[in-house]
Amino acid sequence: DAKTTQPNSMESNEEEPVHLPCNHSTISGTDYIHWYRQLPSQGPEYVIHGLTSNVNNRMASLAIAEDRKSSTLILHRATLRDAAVYYCILRAGSSNTGKLIFGQGTTLQVKP
Amino acid sequence: NAGVTQTPKFRILKIGQSMTLQCAQDMNHNYMYWYRQDPGMGLKLIYYSVGAGITDKGEVPNGYNVSRSTTEDFPLRLELAAPSQTSVYFCASRSGGNYGYTFGSGTRLTVV
Repeated sequence: DAKTTQPNSMESNEEEPVHLPCNHSTISGTDYIHWYRQLPSQGPEYVIHGLTSNVNNRMASLAIAEDRKSSTLILHRATLRDAAVYYCILRAGSSNTGKLIFGQGTTLQVKP
Repeated sequence: NAGVTQTPKFRILKIGQSMTLQCAQDMNHNYMYWYRQDPGMGLKLIYYSVGAGITDKGEVPNGYNVSRSTTEDFPLRLELAAPSQTSVYFCASRSGGNYGYTFGSGTRLTVV
């Protein structure tokens, strides 16, 4: 399974945009980039995923580099409720199992 | 609209005891997964299932067993509990294709 590298922690101010980076230099052509977040004392929550093109949904945007070796999760206006651990995960599109292999993630702190 | 339901939410076991962690989903998802999360760490995959009657090992299967007799249920069995199995256990499910996982709220297990 291809690995991802994320900063251990980041800080943001409330109501400002947040850009969470993820490096995945060994990504293969069929790997999907998934983002999940885990609020304190809760199970992980799906945020967004993409393959090659940038993606938007009600929670966030995902910007994928042209060579796909990195991606950025964008929270457009951080709120205190966005404080969580954010996981960037590669899921093999060619795999029938759909396993997600979690790394350490980025702990996002949001300051009022 | 229950999603993924895990029971119990908390449990204390003595060393050597056994128990079953229950997981049920009402979304007719074929794929189900069991993860454990130790304090301050990411999730590790224990077992997974791609459909009723089919299960396979993940990264850390030792000390656990699973069964999948129905689409809805995916129980995790701990035999001869050990302190190293103290953790938070998450069950997840997904439909086919490249959709995101839905996680349960977790079972916090302490072995003393």
